[in-house]
Amino acid sequence: EAGVAQSPRYKIIEKRQSVAFWCNPISGHATLYWYQQILGQGPKLLIQFQNNGVVDDSQLPKDRFSAERLKGVDSTLKIQPAKLEDSAVYLCASSPRGIHGYTFGSGTRLTVV
Amino acid sequence: QQQVKQSPQSLIVQKGGISIINCAYENTAFDYFPWYQQFPGKGPALLIAIRPDVSEKKEGRFTISFNKSAKQFSLHIMDSQPGDSATYFCAASTSSNTGKLIFGQGTTLQVKP
Repeated sequence: EAGVAQSPRYKIIEKRQSVAFWCNPISGHATLYWYQQILGQGPKLLIQFQNNGVVDDSQLPKDRFSAERLKGVDSTLKIQPAKLEDSAVYLCASSPRGIHGYTFGSGTRLTVV
Repeated sequence: QQQVKQSPQSLIVQKGGISIINCAYENTAFDYFPWYQQFPGKGPALLIAIRPDVSEKKEGRFTISFNKSAKQFSLHIMDSQPGDSATYFCAASTSSNTGKLIFGQGTTLQVKP
């Protein structure tokens, strides 16, 4: 079974620039999550999709972050404009249903300079 | 109330020794407590998980001990090996949502040969 694919692996941008991350979940997984992991901390949920609908985006900074999951499969997370404090690893995870079969991708490491 | 507090922040253990990592929570609605293992450059991977209706769960060298009254749970790694050197995260979730995980701050474990 192929895992959760994320790209790019690394990204360096200047503050105030925009950036986008892509995630391809495990085939058949209805639930998709984006987590932010700041260095030295545990992952924090940014947004959760069930198929192509948003279930929880309470911790997404909506003034600069946006995410979509078209057709209930792939997802993109965008930051515009980026701030220094957005430097983190952005992890995508998917599961067939809730907490069962939860699988993380390897993440995208973002550095904002 | 949504926090999960993890300790210690870092841990050094000799090969063959026992590694113990502790977590505490406040939200009594949590009913699923997984532990994740994360290697550098990789996403977290599920190691072992427990529900509050049991006090202990063992899988190979890994054991979760759960104390519902104290709202604490811990991971014990028996016969620790250098390959166990990684960052470990406890987490918690409620079955009433669709899979949101609240993570602890992480423990970096180094097993010395």
